Amino acid sequence: AQRVTQPEKLLSVFKGAPVELKCNYSYSGSPELFWYVQYSRQRLQLLLRHISRESIKGFTADLNKGETSFHLKKPFAQEEDSAMYYCALSTHGDYKLSFGAGTTVTVRA
Amino acid sequence: EAGVTQSPTHLIKTRGQQATLRCSPISGHTSVYWYQQALGLGLQFLLWYDEGEERNRGNFPPRFSGRQFPNYSSELNVNALELEDSALYLCASSFPRGPGELFFGEGSRLTVL
Repeated sequence: AQRVTQPEKLLSVFKGAPVELKCNYSYSGSPELFWYVQYSRQRLQLLLRHISRESIKGFTADLNKGETSFHLKKPFAQEEDSAMYYCALSTHGDYKLSFGAGTTVTVRA
Repeated sequence: EAGVTQSPTHLIKTRGQQATLRCSPISGHTSVYWYQQALGLGLQFLLWYDEGEERNRGNFPPRFSGRQFPNYSSELNVNALELEDSALYLCASSFPRGPGELFFGEGSRLTVL
C-alpha cells in the first residue's frame, strides 16, 4: 500500500532563509506527487504537482524516484509562507489521494 | 464561481447516534472525495465517488457510508457514532477520473459526546 511520510511536524525558519520540507513515499510503481497548502483560515489548496515541473510562489519540488522523495524547497522564505503543508500521493488506477501528516511552517521576521 | 460547499459547519451528536454530512461540488466536477481529519492524524481517505458510483474506499468500518446524487452532490453517513469519530470531515471535488487537483470545502466539524 502507498504511504506518505513527512518527518517534520513543525518547521521554524527566519524570513529570507531557505526552507525545505521533506516528503518520502512508499510505492513501487509510478506515483503522482503533490504538495497542498493550508493558510490560516483558508481552505486546503493545491500548491504544486510534480508533473507540472513549475515553480509556484517560489516553491519547487523534485521527484527523486531513487530516494522515493518529493521534498519542497524555497530559497528565501517569506512571512506569508507560514502555513500547514501536506505532501500527497496518487497512484494510477487506485484513484485516491493519500496525504502525509503535514508540516506546520512558521516564518519568523 | 462557487467553491465546494459543505453542511453543516458544526454538528454535535451523542454516542450511538447517526450523523449525515453533505457536500456540493464545484460545477462541472463529477468526482467527490471524503476525508477525515482527526486531531494529530492528518487527512485520512474515506470515500471516493464518481458519476454516482463508489470508486474507492479507505480503511474505515462499514458504518461509514455515503452516496452521490445525480447532481453530483454527496452525502456522508456515519452510523453508531463513537467518540473517536469526532473530527473535521473534508469534502473535495475534481474533474472525472481523478484525482488531479482536488478542490476542498471548509469542512464539517463533528463532535461526538
